[in-house]
Amino acid sequence: DTAVSQTPKYLVTQMGNDKSIKCEQNLGHDTMYWYKQDSKKFLKIMFSYNNKELIINETVPNRFSPKSPDKAHLNLHINSLELGDSAVYFCASSQRDNSPLHFGNGTRLTVT
Amino acid sequence: GENVEQHPSTLSVQEGDSAVIKCTYSDSASNYFPWYKQELGKGPQLIIDIRSNVGEKKDQRIAVTLNKTAKHFSLHITETQPEDSAVYFCAFHPAGYSTLTFGKGTMLLVSP
Repeated sequence: DTAVSQTPKYLVTQMGNDKSIKCEQNLGHDTMYWYKQDSKKFLKIMFSYNNKELIINETVPNRFSPKSPDKAHLNLHINSLELGDSAVYFCASSQRDNSPLHFGNGTRLTVT
Repeated sequence: GENVEQHPSTLSVQEGDSAVIKCTYSDSASNYFPWYKQELGKGPQLIIDIRSNVGEKKDQRIAVTLNKTAKHFSLHITETQPEDSAVYFCAFHPAGYSTLTFGKGTMLLVSP
C-alpha cells in the first residue's frame, strides 16, 4: 500500500546507454514530479506534470524526458547517459499546487 | 531565481537537548513553508508545515515558527532522541511557482 513507488531502487549502467525509471502513485493526486538529489543532498526539481501542463526546469538537459501514460504514472527516460547523471532520483506527487509533497524512496543511478 | 538559505548545514546535539534549524527565503509573497525529514535510504517525508496566516505551529516535540517580516522560518525539535538523526530540509513555495524550492539540508546527529 505504498503511496508513491518507484522502480528500480538501484540502477547501474554504462555511459551512452538509455534507461527508464518508473513511478506510480496511488494517492489520487493530480500532479507528479521528478527531483534529482546530488551527492551533497541538494534536491533540485526537474519536472512537474499534471494532466494539463508539463513544466520543465530549463537547466535539465533534453536527454531527460518525462512520460505519463496516465494520471497515476510518471516515468523518467534518460538517453545517452553521462557520468554526471549519477544521483538519486525521486518521484513525488501532490494533490495540487501549494500542498504537501509525497516522495518515493528514490532510485540510485550510477553511471560507469 | 527564488531561493531559500538553510543553516546550519550540520548540527550535533546530545540526546535530550533541543535543536533549531533556520531558513531565510527571498520571496515576500510566499505563503507555504514545509519541513521534510529524510532518513538514510528513504525519500523526504513531511514532518510539519505552516502557512503564512499563523506564526507558530506545534506537533508534540516539533514546532515551526514563521517571521514574515524578517522572511525566515525555523524548525524546533525539543527533547531530541537518536531516531531524530536525519537530514532536514526546509522548503518554500514562491508565489507564482508550481513547485517547492528546497534548502540545502541540515544533517542532524543526536548522540545518546
